[in-house]
Amino acid sequence: AQKVTQAQTEISVVEKEDVTLDCVYETRDTTYYLFWYKQPPSGELVFLIRRNSFDEQNEISGRYSWNFQKSTSSFNFTITASQVVDSAVYFCALSERRYGGATNKLIFGTGTLLAVQP
Amino acid sequence: GAVVSQHPSWVICKSGTSVKIECRSLDFQATTMFWYRQFPKQSLMLMATSNEGSKATYEQGVEKDKFLINHASLTLSTLTVTSAHPEDSSFYICSARGLGLGIDEQFFGPGTRLTVL
Repeated sequence: AQKVTQAQTEISVVEKEDVTLDCVYETRDTTYYLFWYKQPPSGELVFLIRRNSFDEQNEISGRYSWNFQKSTSSFNFTITASQVVDSAVYFCALSERRYGGATNKLIFGTGTLLAVQP
Repeated sequence: GAVVSQHPSWVICKSGTSVKIECRSLDFQATTMFWYRQFPKQSLMLMATSNEGSKATYEQGVEKDKFLINHASLTLSTLTVTSAHPEDSSFYICSARGLGLGIDEQFFGPGTRLTVL
């Protein structure tokens, strides 16, 4: 069965510190997608990244970077030089590829609340 | 980019009343819409998946007679919480996937906060 585990429920850092949010997933499929979303206090989900299972290249986007390790089923997210505006709940999610017109579902982890103190 | 709106953004109602939440895709045709529920400090849980013109598929444990979903057009899906009770108070989020867009792309609405007194 599909499962996404975010073991860190809450993390608190001081501004300018680097922080890594962990995500471990379980799936029987060989083709799948992994996502990270940010949910600020307003509630709206902000899409951060999508990675397919065949692309293990790490990605960097500004202060954000992602490390996909298929061997350990992990897709970790690092924020460099954190800022107060990074304070939010971050969700990792998994979508398995379905064929024959079946609908892909997103399975979310339990989220990590990141608090960046000034 | 693909935009999804929800209306209302928040609603307060009395126990026993029904509440309708709308989810609209503003600049694309949504072949599939998803409805999620999120309780405070918890994750998003998929409630149901609806394809335009057909009946919704509900996740295990979600009462289809209580949470009525209608996806009558390619730009609108509605979720009606019937005979709402305080335990139905939650943050309801929809997402949509559309024609010509990536098969795994879901675009999320801003959510609707429901409080049942």
